[in-house]
Amino acid sequence: NAGVTQTPKFQVLKTGQSMTLQCAQDMNHEYMSWYRQDPGMGLRLIHYSVGAGITDQGEVPNGYNVSRSTTEDFPLRLLSAAPSQTSVYFCASSYSRFRGNTIYFGEGSWLTVV
Amino acid sequence: KNEVEQSPQNLTAQEGEFITINCSYSVGISALHWLQQHPGGGIVSLFMLSSGKKKHGRLIATINIQEKHSSLHITASHPRDSAVYICAGTTGNQFYFGTGTSLTVIP
Repeated sequence: NAGVTQTPKFQVLKTGQSMTLQCAQDMNHEYMSWYRQDPGMGLRLIHYSVGAGITDQGEVPNGYNVSRSTTEDFPLRLLSAAPSQTSVYFCASSYSRFRGNTIYFGEGSWLTVV
Repeated sequence: KNEVEQSPQNLTAQEGEFITINCSYSVGISALHWLQQHPGGGIVSLFMLSSGKKKHGRLIATINIQEKHSSLHITASHPRDSAVYICAGTTGNQFYFGTGTSLTVIP
């Protein structure tokens, strides 16, 4: 099992560029989510999905899009990058939303927008 | 106000010391998670608990549902325990994260 695979690990973007952060899990997890982590703040939820074809917004969704066409993949798209989106991004998954299950994180993606 | 509050924010300890990190939450949760994040690295789940106490090696996690409080204890701390420890409560769809406790263990 690879767990949660997140790419790229590091990326520098220019303001206005778009990009996609990839996230894949091989554990057949229903629940997948994207977070951003900024200094002095806890992890903040961007978007989440409770199954293929179902996505919903989290706490800080503006400027980001997601889709869940398969159980395995949950890409995060930055539509028009802004310096405020400079952050560390984590993808996470867990088995089911209804039970308290272990949450698995990807290794993080360090994004800088200049 | 954050739904999950951790204390202390920063903690420095000598190797071998007993360490306690506290977590209080204000929302109704179905489970509480303790996570570990090493510098420059990913986040790993240490414990998930909904009642009582769990132990894994030198780490012990407890939760008091009535008081909405959880603690993470590290016995005989070691420099390799240096990391950020994050508690998170889950209500199902949502995880509520604390801001983390940065632990440094000095040899």
